[in-house]
Amino acid sequence: AQSVTQLGSHVSVSEGALVLLRCNYSSSVPPYLFWYVQYPNQGLQLLLKYTSAATLVKGINGFEAEFKKSETSFHLTKPSAHMSDAAEYFCAVTRNTGGFKTIFGAGTRLFVKA
Amino acid sequence: DVKVTQSSRYLVKRTGEKVFLECVQDMDHENMFWYRQDPGLGLRLIYFSYDVKMKEKGDIPEGYSVSREKKERFSLILESASTNQTSMYLCASKLEGIPNTEAFFGQGTRLTVV
Repeated sequence: AQSVTQLGSHVSVSEGALVLLRCNYSSSVPPYLFWYVQYPNQGLQLLLKYTSAATLVKGINGFEAEFKKSETSFHLTKPSAHMSDAAEYFCAVTRNTGGFKTIFGAGTRLFVKA
Repeated sequence: DVKVTQSSRYLVKRTGEKVFLECVQDMDHENMFWYRQDPGLGLRLIYFSYDVKMKEKGDIPEGYSVSREKKERFSLILESASTNQTSMYLCASKLEGIPNTEAFFGQGTRLTVV
């Protein structure tokens, strides 16, 4: 079954530093991949999604992700972290088992230090 | 503005009570989902509905049931609440048949069973 693995339950960066959140997927067919963000006490909202039109996907708030089939990865990056980026980030994949269900990774909590 | 609304942000219930969590979406989406979110485990799918009166078990359906009498409303029912059902519950909806469309989430209901 299709699934995603997020490496690192917590990541801490300094303000202005590079953000790198890792996600690997397991799929024998082209995956439908997403990154969602959850701010404290809120639901999830979409950051970006892979559409197969381009391997580098740009999302909101300066985030982007690169689809690498050879590495089965879809890592999320941002060149310069801001305090407002502190949140939990989830990688997700759509699984087709009689309907398109979204399956989530365990999440990575991003801390940003001043 | 698209919206998924969960009826309660916080609930405290006693062990053995029957609990109803309500979710309403205004986007005319066919698919609706209930997830449970626990630290370190990400979002786990409890139940999924792809049409009125149609439902499918997710990965952790035990102890839960659902009801979908109208397209816009999807209810999660805890028949006899237990302390291990203390968690954050998230409702989501998405379009049917399009695998790379995103899910839209409610704000979540934090349920405490005492």
